[in-house]
Amino acid sequence: AQKITQTQPGMFVQEKEAVTLDCTYDTSDQSYGLFWYKQPSSGEMIFLIYQGSYDEQNATEGRYSLNFQKARKSANLVISASQLGDSAMYFCAMREVYTGANSKLTFGKGITLSVRP
Amino acid sequence: ETGVTQTPRHLVMGMTNKKSLKCEQHLGHNAMYWYKQSAKKPLELMFVYNFKEQTENNSVPSRFSPECPNSSHLFLHLHTLQPEDSALYLCASSHNPIDTQYFGPGTRLTVL
Repeated sequence: AQKITQTQPGMFVQEKEAVTLDCTYDTSDQSYGLFWYKQPSSGEMIFLIYQGSYDEQNATEGRYSLNFQKARKSANLVISASQLGDSAMYFCAMREVYTGANSKLTFGKGITLSVRP
Repeated sequence: ETGVTQTPRHLVMGMTNKKSLKCEQHLGHNAMYWYKQSAKKPLELMFVYNFKEQTENNSVPSRFSPECPNSSHLFLHLHTLQPEDSALYLCASSHNPIDTQYFGPGTRLTVL
């Protein structure tokens, strides 16, 4: 089974509106971390937001928030007030700790977001 | 400079060439990573270094040879590559191996 699933093929949103990008994950660990990264056409992976599995509140960073539903194993990214510069690929990733000091970051296939003016 | 830098940003090489990719981080991190991003595939972890020691080699062919002379620099030496090795190669760093990873802009490699 895939560790990280991002099934939306491509998303379109009108400028200034909110958009939700879906991510589901699969793990048997109790302690794990979830990340969202943005990759513009230039190629750089930009860290957006992090949610720990034990965090009781949903993470927020400016216009980004993470809708974390642990029982459903979903970690959707919500972008509010979309801007043209938000057009990019968005990757969900999960960190599992597999030894005391090492971990592996597994990425989903990504979702393309296009913001329309 | 700040963050994670990578050079060159673009590289075209023949299958018999030898080239190197360079990554430098200015964040004071101790762990560094090489990833490969091919079209329509998820990001693939290649190598992990922590305090200059390689802690992971994700079954990468020997035509890719990493080098980490110190915690700030990471190289990927390339020789006798195949056309299917064409991809975006991303370097990342983190304070420790379980911390948030920060990425460089990548080197877009084309093997002819």
